[in-house]
Amino acid sequence: GQQLNQSPQSMFIQEGEDVSMNCTSSSIFNTWLWYKQEPGEGPVLLIALYKAGELTSNGRLTAQFGITRKDSFLNISASIPSDVGIYFCAGQLTGNQFYFGTGTSLTVIP
Amino acid sequence: NAGVTQTPKFRILKIGQSMTLQCTQDMNHNYMYWYRQDPGMGLKLIYYSVGAGITDKGEVPNGYNVSRSTTEDFPLRLELAAPSQTSVYFCASSPGNYNEQFFGPGTRLTVL
Repeated sequence: GQQLNQSPQSMFIQEGEDVSMNCTSSSIFNTWLWYKQEPGEGPVLLIALYKAGELTSNGRLTAQFGITRKDSFLNISASIPSDVGIYFCAGQLTGNQFYFGTGTSLTVIP
Repeated sequence: NAGVTQTPKFRILKIGQSMTLQCTQDMNHNYMYWYRQDPGMGLKLIYYSVGAGITDKGEVPNGYNVSRSTTEDFPLRLELAAPSQTSVYFCASSPGNYNEQFFGPGTRLTVL
């Protein structure tokens, strides 16, 4: 299957700090999605990206579709305690399958 | 709208037992998916369906079967449970290709 490398694996940050995480692949993707998962819940979509170079924001979250179409980035500005969770990237090739990264676990220290 | 609902929430099976994980969505989505999530890992696609009567294998289909007789329901069947199938199973639906997927709350399955 497709391998999406997500980094970092985990982050411990102070409340108010900015966060950056990324996802890379050896394959070219048509769509990149970023999800957040909280304990005991299913993933919830944060941002969807459909074009190379696209930069999209959702409140304090900003994500970019890499120009090579092999990577994507997610930034969270001014983190707050409720940002805690696991963040997953997911990429879609042609067809109906999405491939998920292994996740970045975010801990925000008040 | 309830969205995507899954039952049961938790289940313990003995090796060799069978069970069906239920998934229902009330959003009239054509696309439905089954994923498994192992500890510390991302989601891996087991099976998916692009409409009633149509199913296809994902990345890790071995040991599972699905059916899609209605738009709303997409059950996942385990015939001979094995310890390697211990995982959290998520069902998702989507209105179409390249659209976001809406996930259910998951079923935590342990096979002993």
